[in-house]
Amino acid sequence: GAVVSQHPSWVICKSGTSVKIECRSLDFQATTMFWYRQFPKQSLMLMATSNEGSKATYEQGVEKDKFLINHASLTLSTLTVTSAHPEDSSFYICSARPTDTQYFGPGTRLTVL
Amino acid sequence: DAKTTQPTSMDCAEGRAANLPCNHSTISGNEYVYWYRQIHSQGPQYIIHGLKNNETNEMASLIITEDRKSSTLILPHATLRDTAVYYCISLTSGTYKYIFGTGTRLKVLA
Repeated sequence: GAVVSQHPSWVICKSGTSVKIECRSLDFQATTMFWYRQFPKQSLMLMATSNEGSKATYEQGVEKDKFLINHASLTLSTLTVTSAHPEDSSFYICSARPTDTQYFGPGTRLTVL
Repeated sequence: DAKTTQPTSMDCAEGRAANLPCNHSTISGNEYVYWYRQIHSQGPQYIIHGLKNNETNEMASLIITEDRKSSTLILPHATLRDTAVYYCISLTSGTYKYIFGTGTRLKVLA
């Protein structure tokens, strides 16, 4: 299957700082990528759809000014958590699709102190 | 997108077949059924998908009922490494958005 990577795999930051997470499709081009968030013992929740060359589409209830998404190339999407707070601590996962099937990255665990 | 419902948890003996059911009673004619699994602290892994016909690959088999209101994922010879949360997702062709349900926590017992 297609390979999607994320960087970093984990990050710890202080409250009020911003954190950038990268999502790359390694062996295919992706005009669309997706960002999910997962809290402990819960399912994945779709946050936004990242579109290459255009604005991201956010799901209801997700603050677009807090979770900035940039999809600057066909293999890279970034999620920036701005002014992070402890309640933003979570497991962030991206996915990309070479066809109708989505392939997921390994996830990034964010801990905000 | 159709909603899917799955049992919360299941146990299976190692070496036996694991049969994981999924109900998607509101599925429409052009909606695919996808199965993924998530091992603790990892991203979901694609297993298999189908529309109408039964499907088989190196990982599993997918049996879809004739009315398409339910399906069953079959892991023919479960191993301890198959312990994971299994998600059944239905997807309308062209929408691409996945809505995850709660999934089934499968525990394979030695």
